[in-house]
Amino acid sequence: GAVVSQHPSRVICKSGTSVKIECRSLDFQATTMFWYRQFPKQSLMLMATSNEGSKATYEQGVEKDKFLINHASLTLSTLTVTSAHPEDSSFYICSARDPGTGSTDTQYFGPGTRLTVL
Amino acid sequence: QKEVEQNSGPLSVPEGAIASLNCTYSDRGSQSFFWYRQYSGKSPELIMFIYSNGDKEDGRFTAQLNKASQYVSLLIRDSQPSDSATYLCAVPRGNTPLVFGKGTRLSVIA
Repeated sequence: GAVVSQHPSRVICKSGTSVKIECRSLDFQATTMFWYRQFPKQSLMLMATSNEGSKATYEQGVEKDKFLINHASLTLSTLTVTSAHPEDSSFYICSARDPGTGSTDTQYFGPGTRLTVL
Repeated sequence: QKEVEQNSGPLSVPEGAIASLNCTYSDRGSQSFFWYRQYSGKSPELIMFIYSNGDKEDGRFTAQLNKASQYVSLLIRDSQPSDSATYLCAVPRGNTPLVFGKGTRLSVIA
């Protein structure tokens, strides 16, 4: 299947700093990528849909000014958590669709980024 | 009714047994159905997807789809302790991301 990478895999930062997470599709072009957040023992929560060359679409309740998404190329989307606070500590996962596979609906997930804000 | 529903579990089965995981969905127009596995602390990984009514087999995994009853299930034969994970059922919704169920936690006891 298609490969999606994320960097960094783990980050610890001080409260008030900004953190950038990169999501890359390694062997395919992804016009759309998705960002999820998952708190311990809870289910995946979709945060936003990242569209190449246009503004991201955010889910209800997700602050667009706090979670900045940029999808500047067909293989890279970034999520920046601005002025991070301890309550932003979570597991952030991106996913992408590979239109070249057998199902255009299939989403492939990156390995995730564990953010800890002190 | 939620779009995709799963029993949260935990579902405990002995090693070597068949684990049966079920999922129901609300949209009768859904055409494809996905099963993902998520180990604790890891991201979801695709197991398989199914389009047509009936069974689809891939190794020890079999997906079963019944569109009339709006349910899809995943059978794991010869369950191993390494199969212990949360299993997520997902359904597409137009051009938006997959809609995921909350997942069923499976525990395979050695």
